[in-house]
Amino acid sequence: QITLKESGPTLVKPTQTLTLTCTFSGFSLSTGGVGVTWIRQPPGKALEWLALIYWDDDKRYSPSLKSRLTITKDTSKNQVVLTMTNMDPVDTGTYFCAHSTSGVGEFDPWGQGTLVTVSS
Amino acid sequence: QSALTQPASVSGSPGQSITISCTGTSSDVGGYNYVSWYQQHPGKAPKLMIYVVNNRPSGISNRFSGSKSGNTASLTIAGLQAEDEADYYCSSYTTSRTWVFGGGTKLTVL
Repeated sequence: QITLKESGPTLVKPTQTLTLTCTFSGFSLSTGGVGVTWIRQPPGKALEWLALIYWDDDKRYSPSLKSRLTITKDTSKNQVVLTMTNMDPVDTGTYFCAHSTSGVGEFDPWGQGTLVTVSS
Repeated sequence: QSALTQPASVSGSPGQSITISCTGTSSDVGGYNYVSWYQQHPGKAPKLMIYVVNNRPSGISNRFSGSKSGNTASLTIAGLQAEDEADYYCSSYTTSRTWVFGGGTKLTVL
């Protein structure tokens, strides 16, 4: 059974850097074809794809946020970390991580999500 | 990249069928079969319902089906049930080697 759980600060100040961790079980990021992605959702709004990292360290970023995002993996800890710089109140929302499979392009399953509020 | 276009809302009565459209471009929906659909109930994480245009994950009812024609993908739910009331999102792979979601559709079961 695959499970994922997001963790990180619930409140960050404008201009600060956000660091979120996705801790997973039931699969390994050293297995060919496996990936982990990050997706966010502002309150009451639509999902927005942010970034994805594959087992071979191939990294993909949303073109509109690429300059602010970094995604890394720690295979030994079964963790994927997303950092987002220069946080702004518009970045407030729930951040989800999810498992993905290369060649299929699906996001399944998802973590429960973690709500991040950007406010001074 | 722009978000895929979905109707803001659709509705139907129990037992009826509804279809939700997801329109993109030749750079995303029209160019790849990596189109997925997700169901999200209030306060919950999204759940994969359809992948690779028309494939159902294990455990998903066969009342849910997907299709694609040109730059538009569609999700059809047959035999509507009260528990189908939720938000639905499509997603697609893009020529930029990234992903994009639709704006979401709120399904109301009357």
